[in-house]
Amino acid sequence: KQEVTQIPAALSVPEGENLVLNCSFTDSAIYNLQWFRQDPGKGLTSLLLIQSSQREQTSGRLNASLDKSSGRSTLYIAASQPGDSATYLCAVKAAGNKLTFGGGTRVLVKP
Amino acid sequence: DTAVSQTPKYLVTQMGNDKSIKCEQNLGHDTMYWYKQDSKKFLKIMFSYNNKELIINETVPNRFSPKSPDKAHLNLHINSLELGDSAVYFCASSQGDTGRQGQPQHFGDGTRLSIL
Repeated sequence: KQEVTQIPAALSVPEGENLVLNCSFTDSAIYNLQWFRQDPGKGLTSLLLIQSSQREQTSGRLNASLDKSSGRSTLYIAASQPGDSATYLCAVKAAGNKLTFGGGTRVLVKP
Repeated sequence: DTAVSQTPKYLVTQMGNDKSIKCEQNLGHDTMYWYKQDSKKFLKIMFSYNNKELIINETVPNRFSPKSPDKAHLNLHINSLELGDSAVYFCASSQGDTGRQGQPQHFGDGTRLSIL
């Protein structure tokens, strides 16, 4: 059974610092991995999707890496801003066409 | 225009009642999902439909019954509501998600269900 873990559960940084969010999964037989952002009282916004054949994806200040063999993904957010404050979730897709989510990392960027 | 919309946004009701949550997507996707997010914020898949056919049915009490009248709609009906059903329910959709590659899933804003 696939399990997805995100560490740390919460993170507080001053504005301008780079953010590093970690995601690990137990079964490396995944199809893809997706990073989401969730704002309080809102749904999930897809940030990046990395296919199993890819090593990383980039979008603006966001960069996500994937190491399937070790069961890890890292989301980097450069030069953090207060608007980056949110909960970040990673999810892996494997056989059975379902996403398995981690518990999320709650990020606070202080001005 | 909202891509994935759920109604109602908030639902407060008594234990034992029957209620429905509606979901519509205007993205032209062929796959839709229902997720439950509990008080600890863990998101878990409940159901998935592809072209109106059920393809994922997790271990969910049979009090929960999804209905997909067409590709753009996936409604969730819950019978005999219990206290443990209190959660946020999210609808999502994606295109061509039956293959290995998969496309990003797009989520609605959630329905906050509170059972009194």
